[in-house]
Amino acid sequence: AQKITQTQPGMFVQEKEAVTLDCTYDTSDPSYGLFWYKQPSSGEMIFLIYQGSYDQQNATEGRYSLNFQKARKSANLVISASQLGDSAMYFCAMREGNTNAGKSTFGDGTTLTVKP
Amino acid sequence: GAGVSQSPSNKVTEKGKDVELRCDPISGHTALYWYRQSLGQGLEFLIYFQGNSAPDKSGLPSDRFSAERTGGSVSTLTIQRTQQEDSAVYLCASSLESATNEKLFFGSGTQLSVL
Repeated sequence: AQKITQTQPGMFVQEKEAVTLDCTYDTSDPSYGLFWYKQPSSGEMIFLIYQGSYDQQNATEGRYSLNFQKARKSANLVISASQLGDSAMYFCAMREGNTNAGKSTFGDGTTLTVKP
Repeated sequence: GAGVSQSPSNKVTEKGKDVELRCDPISGHTALYWYRQSLGQGLEFLIYFQGNSAPDKSGLPSDRFSAERTGGSVSTLTIQRTQQEDSAVYLCASSLESATNEKLFFGSGTQLSVL
């Protein structure tokens, strides 16, 4: 089974609206961490947000929040008040156990297009 | 420089030739990672450096791939006898330490095309 599944190859959202990008994961390790990265057309991956499996609250970073539903093994990214600059590819990633963040498994990504 | 720098940004080579890709991490970052990204896909881990040593080379796809890091700074990824399936974007990232929730800083990658 895929460790990280992003079911939406492409998403569209109107500027200033909120959008949710889906991510489901598969692991039997009780300790894990989930990351979201943004990759604009320039190619550079940019860290957005991190959620640890034992964190009690959903992570938030500015306009980004992570809707963490542990029982459903989902970690959806919510972007509020979308901006044109949010148009990019978004990747969900997971590290398991005590492996370091750099050895995360990545999903195939979702391309987000923000319409003016 | 302020960020992770990779060179060249684009490399076109002929099948069978060797190529070297360079990564200059953020100064002071001890951990360095190489990844491969095929078109429309996520990142595939290749190798990890802590300082100059490589405790994890498990992602290198074949013995044609090797990497080194010198002075705890610059790293080069070498692909020998390139094949068409090696065509991809090669990304490098660095982090201050190698921790479970460490923030990674990425370069813009090298687009490798093997003809």
